[in-house]
Amino acid sequence: KQEVTQIPAALSVPEGENLVLNCSFTDSAIYNLQWFRQDPGKGLTSLLLIQSSQREQTSGRLNASLDKSSGRSTLYIAASQPGDSATYLCAVPAYSGAGSYQLTFGKGTKLSVIP
Amino acid sequence: AAGVIQSPRHLIKEKRETATLKCYPIPRHDTVYWYQQGPGQDPQFLISFYEKMQSDKGSIPDRFSAQQFSDYHSELNMSSLELGDSALYFCASSLQDRDYNEQFFGPGTRLTVL
Repeated sequence: KQEVTQIPAALSVPEGENLVLNCSFTDSAIYNLQWFRQDPGKGLTSLLLIQSSQREQTSGRLNASLDKSSGRSTLYIAASQPGDSATYLCAVPAYSGAGSYQLTFGKGTKLSVIP
Repeated sequence: AAGVIQSPRHLIKEKRETATLKCYPIPRHDTVYWYQQGPGQDPQFLISFYEKMQSDKGSIPDRFSAQQFSDYHSELNMSSLELGDSALYFCASSLQDRDYNEQFFGPGTRLTVL
């Protein structure tokens, strides 16, 4: 059974710093990995999806990397801003047949960017 | 761009009552997923539909059922509600693609059982 771990559980940084969030998974036979952002009590916003054949994916100040063989992904946030404060979750799909790729999530990293 | 729509956004029920949550996926998406997120927890997969057929079940109680209709909207029916059912319920939709099945989540329905 796939297990997804995110370290650290919480992170506090001053505004303007670059930071890295970590995600690890136990089963390296994944099709892709997705990073989400969740504000308190709100829905999940998809940030990036990185396919298993890719090593990196970029969107604005965000850069996600994927190393399948070691079971790791990182989300790099450049020049952090207070508006980046949220919980960041990574998730990997598991194919169960019949067209379903349900996601297994990590428990998230709660990021606080201090002005 | 159109997003996933969920209704209602908030729902308060008493124990042993029933609740129906609705989800309208992004147009042309062929797969719908339901997830449950308890307080301080990560989302847990409940059930999924591909082209209006149930495709997989996760940790969904027998008291819950779901279906997808001809217009692709989906409903999650919850009966004999318990206090522990209080959670955020998310619907997500995607296109069926092995390598690029990016899931887009709705804003969720917050269910409170009193």
